[in-house]
Order: sequence, then C-alpha cells, then structure tokens
Amino acid sequence: QITLKESGPTLVKPTQTLTLTCSFSGFSLSTSGVGVGWIRQPPGKALEWLALIYWDDDKRYSPSLKSRLTITKDTSKNQVVLTMANMDPVDTATYYCAHRVSTAVTFDYWGQGTLVTVSS
Amino acid sequence: QSVLTQPPSVSAAPGQKVTISCSGSSSNIGNNYVSWFQQLPGTAPKLLIYENNKRPSGIPDRFSGSKSGTSATLGITGLQTGDEADYYCGTWDSSLSAEVFGGGTKLTVL
Repeated sequence: QITLKESGPTLVKPTQTLTLTCSFSGFSLSTSGVGVGWIRQPPGKALEWLALIYWDDDKRYSPSLKSRLTITKDTSKNQVVLTMANMDPVDTATYYCAHRVSTAVTFDYWGQGTLVTVSS
Repeated sequence: QSVLTQPPSVSAAPGQKVTISCSGSSSNIGNNYVSWFQQLPGTAPKLLIYENNKRPSGIPDRFSGSKSGTSATLGITGLQTGDEADYYCGTWDSSLSAEVFGGGTKLTVL
C-alpha cells in the first residue's frame, strides 16, 4: 500500500532555510503520471498548497511562495525534498506531503504531517 | 483569503443530511475536477471525493459530491458523531497554475 512520511526539523530560526524530506513507499516516482506534492496548514487555519513534482521532473510552485521554494526528487531513494528559504514565524505550520496521480488530479494519499515552528 | 469559498461551519443532528458548498470561478471549479477532503481532529486530511463525484475505495456511499458551473457540493447522509471534522474542497486553478483549497468547513453533529 502507499505510505508517505515527512521528516525534518521541528524548530527553525527566522531567516533560516527549511529542508523537509518526504519518504514514501508503495509507488515509484519514475512511473508515468505519478507526482508528489507538499501542502501546509498553520495551526487552526486552512490548507495551503506549496509545490508539486511529477515523474518527468515537471515542477509546479505556489505563485505566492515560488521565489522561496525548491522541490526535488530522488527516485532511487523514493524521496522528495522541499526547501523553503528565509523562514518567518508566519511559516509555522504542519507540513504534509501527498501522492498525486495526474489522471485523477487529486491528492489521494497523505503523510501524517510534521509540525515546523519558526521562532528565535 | 482562500480562492474557493466554503461556509465556516455547518451542523445537523445524527441521522440527518448535510451539504457543504464550495464556490469558485471558471478558472478553477468551472473547468477542473473538484476533490473533497475530511480532516478529523489532529489527523491528516483524507480524500473523500475526487473527479467531482467519485469515491475512493473504502469511502461509504453516505458521502457524495456534485458540481454545477463554478460551484461544488459535498453531501453527507446518515450523519454520525464520527463525521465531526473539518471538510475542505480543492481543485486546480488554470489561471494561477496552482492547486487551491477552500477555507474549510467545520461540521458539528449535534
């Protein structure tokens, strides 16, 4: 079955760069149509999409955060990495990665999420 | 402010039916598939509906989805206390080239 799990620091300082890793199993990012996305959720607030990478290395970013985000994949390790530069306290949120299939155009499997707090 | 508009909260009694609306525009709901997600307290979102009205394996038929024009609706029948959760709609926005979500609706089963 498909599983995803996020990992990374729980606390980062303002202006630092956040690096999060999504480790997954049950699918391959070399399979046509498959993608992995990142979505975050500040405490008590709504979901916000951040980035998406597909099997063919097509990358999409949230327009409002594009300048700060980089998404990459390591197919051999079954991992997707998201970096977010210049972190601010407003970036405090639970960060989720999720599996996507281009045909269904949805996020059908989600990781458990990881809470990242930005504070000095 | 979210691109898709949902009511902040809805409520109904156990056994009753409730609907949750999601309003957008021609660049998102009007020309793309809509998904619905359920987020139980303290857990990750879970896919309930995709491609406007399809249910993934394991999702009971008490949950249904529909779309008309630039709006979508999630329906839940036979409400149970276990249905208390936040519900989010989501879709692709072709103008923004971005996935967009609604602000979420908190369902209370009285």
